[in-house]
Amino acid sequence: QEKVQQSPESLIVPEGAMVSLNCSFSDSASQSIWWYQQHPGKGPKALISIFSNGNKKEGRLTVYLNRASLHVSLHIKDSQPSDSAVYLCAVYNTGNYKYVFGAGTRLKVIA
Amino acid sequence: AQTIHQWPVAEIKAVGSPLSLGCTIKGKSSPNLYWYWQATGGTLQQLFYSITVGQVESVVQLNLSASRPKDDQFILSTEKLLLSHSGFYLCAWRDWGNSYEQYFGPGTRLTVL
Repeated sequence: QEKVQQSPESLIVPEGAMVSLNCSFSDSASQSIWWYQQHPGKGPKALISIFSNGNKKEGRLTVYLNRASLHVSLHIKDSQPSDSAVYLCAVYNTGNYKYVFGAGTRLKVIA
Repeated sequence: AQTIHQWPVAEIKAVGSPLSLGCTIKGKSSPNLYWYWQATGGTLQQLFYSITVGQVESVVQLNLSASRPKDDQFILSTEKLLLSHSGFYLCAWRDWGNSYEQYFGPGTRLTVL
């Protein structure tokens, strides 16, 4: 049974700070790892994904994956108050069509 | 452009009553479809997935059932609601191919009293 754990549970940062979110997963065969943003009362929205070891950058977002340590991180550069939301890490296994989500990190960016 | 619609937006139901939640995807042919449940403050949990019309696979047993009567429609239901069914229900779709990105609907808030 795949397990996904995220840290920290919550984070408060000043506007302009670099934000780092962590996610560890248990199944090395997981095909892809996704980061989603969820605002209260809304459905999650996909932000960025990674499949291979290494890093990937899109705009202010950078994601790092280390399959050996089963760890992925998301970094948000120059954080804005509009980035305040819950960030969810999800892993997908094509073998069983399953997506497993972590409990999320609640981010608050203060102006 | 693809759109995903869920109904109703919110429901308040009594324990033991039946439930039917719906999801429709427009503008996409033969998507993979998913139902998720999220308890208040809890983790998003995949309940069902469907690859094609008439075929639904259960991921978690929560005394719920799902059906896909049409290519663009996914239904979640139960004959008897439990208090533990309260929460936020989300429908999502994914395209075929190598992209595993899911697109979520706006959700249905269910309160069981």
